[in-house]
Amino acid sequence: NAGVTQTPKFRVLKTGQSMTLLCAQDMNHEYMYWYRQDPGMGLRLIHYSVGEGTTAKGEVPDGYNVSRLKKQNFLLGLESAAPSQTSVYFCASSSLSGGNTQYFGPGTRLTVL
Amino acid sequence: QQPVQSPQAVILREGEDAVINCSSSKALYSVHWYRQKHGEAPVFLMILLKGGEQKGHEKISASFNEKKQQSSLYLTASQLSYSGTYFCGTDITGGSYIPTFGRGTSLIVHP
Repeated sequence: NAGVTQTPKFRVLKTGQSMTLLCAQDMNHEYMYWYRQDPGMGLRLIHYSVGEGTTAKGEVPDGYNVSRLKKQNFLLGLESAAPSQTSVYFCASSSLSGGNTQYFGPGTRLTVL
Repeated sequence: QQPVQSPQAVILREGEDAVINCSSSKALYSVHWYRQKHGEAPVFLMILLKGGEQKGHEKISASFNEKKQQSSLYLTASQLSYSGTYFCGTDITGGSYIPTFGRGTSLIVHP
């Protein structure tokens, strides 16, 4: 079991460029989440999904889009990157039957110049 | 709404005890506690459901006071491995767990 994996681990973008972060989980979890973590701010929820084909906005969704076409994958897209999106991005998954314990991926460090 | 954690930072020597608090302005359905070491992902410690139950994991335990809308994490006889940032995640929805995390409490344990 790989758990939750994220691709890529690091990325540097120029302002205005686009990119997609991929999250994959092999635990058959229903719920998946995308967070961003900035110094002193904790983990802030960007978007989440409660099942295949469904997504919803979290606390800080502006500038991001997501898709969950397959149960095991959750994609986070930045259409036009801005320096304010420089952050560490964590994906997580959970299962209702597992008490909704969240399992986090290793994170993606994104820098936007 | 983001829960409030206190204190923001704690510095201890090995063997000392610490308490980290997590308070919410809204009624809580559950509280999760996570620990994150520098450069790593957060790792689940424990979950508490409303009802005031206390949970324990080795020398780390937690309580949940539904009336006061707060939870406390207790670390006894701290070890060097306890160093890291502790986050509480609160759920005010009940059933559909969409957590809101606090800003974290940095814990440093010195030899």
